[in-house]
Amino acid sequence: GQQVMQIPQYQHVQEGEDFTTYCNSSTTLSNIQWYKQRPGGHPVFLIQLVKSGEVKKQKRLTFQFGEAKKNSSLHITATQTTDVGTYFCAGPSNTGKLIFGQGTTLQVKP
Amino acid sequence: DSGVTQTPKHLITATGQRVTLRCSPRSGDLSVYWYQQSLDQGLQFLIQYYNGEERAKGNILERFSAQQFPDLHSELNLSSLELGDSALYFCASSVQGGGEKLFFGSGTQLSVL
Repeated sequence: GQQVMQIPQYQHVQEGEDFTTYCNSSTTLSNIQWYKQRPGGHPVFLIQLVKSGEVKKQKRLTFQFGEAKKNSSLHITATQTTDVGTYFCAGPSNTGKLIFGQGTTLQVKP
Repeated sequence: DSGVTQTPKHLITATGQRVTLRCSPRSGDLSVYWYQQSLDQGLQFLIQYYNGEERAKGNILERFSAQQFPDLHSELNLSSLELGDSALYFCASSVQGGGEKLFFGSGTQLSVL
């Protein structure tokens, strides 16, 4: 079946360092979505990418969708303690259900 | 506030018991999804409903069942509970259930003792 894989599983950085998480799908995706789950919270939608090669920015966050629409990345520049949490990518199956990657948990040391 | 309401927030029960988790989707959303999240685990898709009909099924155990009612709220029934069923259960909703963004509820933390 369709799989969405994410690496790394965990990342510890010093505040001010950059952070990147990578997402790969076993199939071509119509779109890729990113969610953030703060500790003790629920996943919250961040962004959706639709076009091949698309790049979107939200302040210090940069999201990319690969040319083949099978991979994506999230890059955070100069991390802050407020960036702590688990970042999930998700892609829709042909039935419309969203399949989530395992997530990357980011810890930021002040 | 996502607009998705889940009750109860916490549930503590014993092995062998049956529980019902409830979810009210965002106003206007026709599709409801259920996900299970165990400690340090990702979001495991259980089942999806669209306008009262089952649309997609994931790795949902036979001991688990769900339905979506005419008013679009959904219930997830977990029976013959085992210790391993302890997890955070999220409900999410979307407008059409066609792969667009999801809005998650705050979850129900189930502890089976």
